Amino acid sequence: NAGVMQNPRHLVRRRGQEARLRCSPMKGHSHVYWYRQLPEEGLKFMVYLQKENIIDESGMPKERFSAEFPKEGPSILRIQQVVRGDSAAYFCASSPSTGTGNTIYFGEGSWLTVV
Amino acid sequence: KNEVEQSPQNLTAQEGEFITINCSYSVGISALHWLQQHPGGGIVSLFMLSSGKKKHGRLIATINIQEKHSSLHITASHPRDSAVYICAVGSQGAQKLVFGQGTRLTINP
Repeated sequence: NAGVMQNPRHLVRRRGQEARLRCSPMKGHSHVYWYRQLPEEGLKFMVYLQKENIIDESGMPKERFSAEFPKEGPSILRIQQVVRGDSAAYFCASSPSTGTGNTIYFGEGSWLTVV
Repeated sequence: KNEVEQSPQNLTAQEGEFITINCSYSVGISALHWLQQHPGGGIVSLFMLSSGKKKHGRLIATINIQEKHSSLHITASHPRDSAVYICAVGSQGAQKLVFGQGTRLTINP
């Protein structure tokens, strides 16, 4: 049973380009979370999605960032017109539900570098 | 003041020493997580606690809900335990975890 799969692991983009980060949750998990880890900072919640629905996007920057989790395929975090400040590690996690008895599984992360 | 505070921020010890990392939080929670992150690597979930104590191998995690405090202990520490250990709390299940700044642990041979 594969864990949470993220790709690409490393992505380099020039300022103004678009970055797309993908996350396939663990089999049987319908809840996906995205977190961002800026250099030398702690992890911060970005968005929580269930299949075809955004449940909580209170941690997402208001502009340039969007996330989706379609009925088929991985969850995608999209960053348009990237800037240097977007350089960070982006972690995806999944859980089978949000009940307190369910642990959360993290992916290996996607490291975005904006040059 | 951060909602989740960890101490110490950095810890260096010799192989074999008993390690304790502390986490204090200021919000009501449903669960507390201890995570491990190796440099440039992914995040591994070590424990999820809502009460009491859990043990896995050389790792022990405890939580005191009344005092809003948790500790992670490592017995017989080994250089491969060198990593950043992160405390995270959730107030509504798994979503919207709030993370501590992490404790960077270095175990010297």
